[in-house]
Amino acid sequence: AQKVTQAQTEISVVEKEDVTLDCVYETRDTTYYLFWYKQPPSGELVFLIRRNSFDEQNEISGRYSWNFQKSTSSFNFTITASQVVDSAVYFCALSEAYGGSQGNLIFGKGTKLSVKP
Amino acid sequence: EAGVAQSPRYKIIEKRQSVAFWCNPISGHATLYWYQQILGQGPKLLIQFQNNGVVDDSQLPKDRFSAERLKGVDSTLKIQPAKLEDSAVYLCASSLGLAGGTTDTQYFGPGTRLTVL
Repeated sequence: AQKVTQAQTEISVVEKEDVTLDCVYETRDTTYYLFWYKQPPSGELVFLIRRNSFDEQNEISGRYSWNFQKSTSSFNFTITASQVVDSAVYFCALSEAYGGSQGNLIFGKGTKLSVKP
Repeated sequence: EAGVAQSPRYKIIEKRQSVAFWCNPISGHATLYWYQQILGQGPKLLIQFQNNGVVDDSQLPKDRFSAERLKGVDSTLKIQPAKLEDSAVYLCASSLGLAGGTTDTQYFGPGTRLTVL
């Protein structure tokens, strides 16, 4: 069965610190997709990134970077030089291409990030 | 491009009353999802539509929840009668609806926060 674990419930950092949010997933499928979403206090889930299981290249987008390692079933998210606007709950999610319900997103419980000035 | 629209944003009802939520997906998106997000948890899929057909409703409590997408565009989710444990944020998402074996990105609306007293 598919599962996503975000072990860090809450993280608090001071502005300009780097912070890494951990995500570990379980799946039996060889083809799957991993996602990160941001949920600010307004409540809307904002899409950040989508990776497929065949692309293990790390990705960088501005201050955001993602480290995908199939060997450890992890898809970690790093924010460099954090800012107050980064304060939100961040969700990691998994979707299997063929198993179970195709397209169904399985979410972790989220990590609440607080960035203090 | 307009995002996913949802209404109302907030709703407070007494238990045993009925309530309905509305969602209008991104134009051209064939797939529409309803998620339930209980406080402190990640969203959980309730139902998935492909055009006007149901793809997955395995986690929908069918004794009290119903959903429809009659013309393959906007959708309504209804709860009747509501219970205290239905208090949650109800999120609607849409995606292009790509061919089998591929998971496309889901884009979320702002959600409806339901409080059942």
